[in-house]
Amino acid sequence: GNSVTQMEGPVTLSEEAFLTINCTYTATGYPSLFWYVQYPGEGLQLLLKATKADDKGSNKGFEATYRKETTSFHLEKGSVQVSDSAVYFCALTSNFGNEKLTFGTGTRLTIIP
Amino acid sequence: DTGVSQDPRHKITKRGQNVTFRCDPISEHNRLYWYRQTLGQGPEFLTYFQNEAQLEKSRLLSDRFSAERPKGSFSTLEIQRTEQGDSAMYLCASSSTGTSGPYFGPGTRLTVT
Repeated sequence: GNSVTQMEGPVTLSEEAFLTINCTYTATGYPSLFWYVQYPGEGLQLLLKATKADDKGSNKGFEATYRKETTSFHLEKGSVQVSDSAVYFCALTSNFGNEKLTFGTGTRLTIIP
Repeated sequence: DTGVSQDPRHKITKRGQNVTFRCDPISEHNRLYWYRQTLGQGPEFLTYFQNEAQLEKSRLLSDRFSAERPKGSFSTLEIQRTEQGDSAMYLCASSSTGTSGPYFGPGTRLTVT
C-alpha cells in the first residue's frame, strides 16, 4: 500500500536559515504529492502540491519538487521566519479517482530569533 | 466561501456514551472525508463520500463508527459506546474535481474519560 516517510523532528533552526524537510514515498501508479502545515492551535492547511513528475509546488517561499526517480518530495525554504514554526506533514493521494490522503508522521519545526 | 467547519470543536464524554460530530464542507464540494489524528501522528483516513454515497471505509472504522451524508452536503460521524482509545482529533476535509485541496476543517477534539 501507500506510505510516506518523513524526516524525524523536531527541527530547530535560527531565523533566516535554509530549511529542508525530507519526504519519501511508496505508492503504486502516479500519486499526487502534498505538503500540509499545522500552526499551533490551528487546523491543517494545504501549503503546496504537485501532481506529476518534475512538477514544482510553491507557496509562501516554500518549494518542493516531485522526483519520481528518487520517490521524494522534499520541502525547502531559503530563509525561514519565526512565523514558520509549525508541524509540517507530507502526504500523497493515489490516482484512483478519489483524493484519499496518506500522511507522514509530521515534522515539528521551531524557528528561534 | 467560509471554509470547512466542524462542530463541536471539543467534546468530553464518559466511556460508553455515544457522540456525534458534524462537518459542513466548502459549498459545492462533492467529496467529503473523515480522518482521525492522535498526538504526534499524521491524520489517518477513516471514510470518504462522493455526494451522498459512502464510497470507502477504512478498517480503522469499527462497527461502533458510522458516518452519513444524507443530502450530499453536511456529514455526521457518530461513535457509539465510546472507549478511551477513541480519544483523538477528528478531522473533516472536502474537495471537488478540478480544484486544489482537499481542504481541512479545524477538527473536533474528543476526550473519553
